[in-house]
Amino acid sequence: GESVGLHLPTLSVQEGDNSIINCAYSNSASDYFIWYKQESGKGPQFIIDIRSNMDKRQGQRVTVLLNKTVKHLSLQIAATQPGDSAVYFCAVGTGANNLFFGTGTRLTVIP
Amino acid sequence: EAGVAQSPRYKIIEKRQSVAFWCNPISGHATLYWYQQILGQGPKLLIQFQNNGVVDDSQLPKDRFSAERLKGVDSTLKIQPAKLEDSAVYLCASSSTVNTGELFFGEGSRLTVL
Repeated sequence: GESVGLHLPTLSVQEGDNSIINCAYSNSASDYFIWYKQESGKGPQFIIDIRSNMDKRQGQRVTVLLNKTVKHLSLQIAATQPGDSAVYFCAVGTGANNLFFGTGTRLTVIP
Repeated sequence: EAGVAQSPRYKIIEKRQSVAFWCNPISGHATLYWYQQILGQGPKLLIQFQNNGVVDDSQLPKDRFSAERLKGVDSTLKIQPAKLEDSAVYLCASSSTVNTGELFFGEGSRLTVL
């Protein structure tokens, strides 16, 4: 099976700084990795994904880094804004099915 | 584009009672998922449908949980009888294909079992 863990349950950053949220997974056969954002009272919202044939992928203000050697991925948010305050989950799977979600990191942006 | 619709948003029942949740996915999305999210945890997959067929229900507690998607569109998730540990948010999600992890989630149905 798969276990997915976030390194820190909470993270506080100053507005305008960069945020880095880390995630570790256990199954070396996992080949699909996704970050979701969940605001209070809402369902998770897809941010960005990466497959195992890549080690970096960029989106708008976000970058996901994948290190398959140590089974670690991270989400970097540039110039963090108050609207980025939420719980962030990494999800890991083999293919796109049966994704395992981590426990989440709560990001708080300090104005 | 309308998102994933779920109802009811909140439900309080006593243990051993039954409850049903309804989900209407995004139009045209063939794949539908039900997740259980216990407070402080990440979502856990209960069941995945492709059209009206079950793709994965390995984590569904089948002695008390059931789900159906009869016409390949709307879906219902039922719990009977409910236990205290079933208190959670039940999230429905849909996606356009099975080969993507880009799931579109509804706002969830929060169940409290007393």
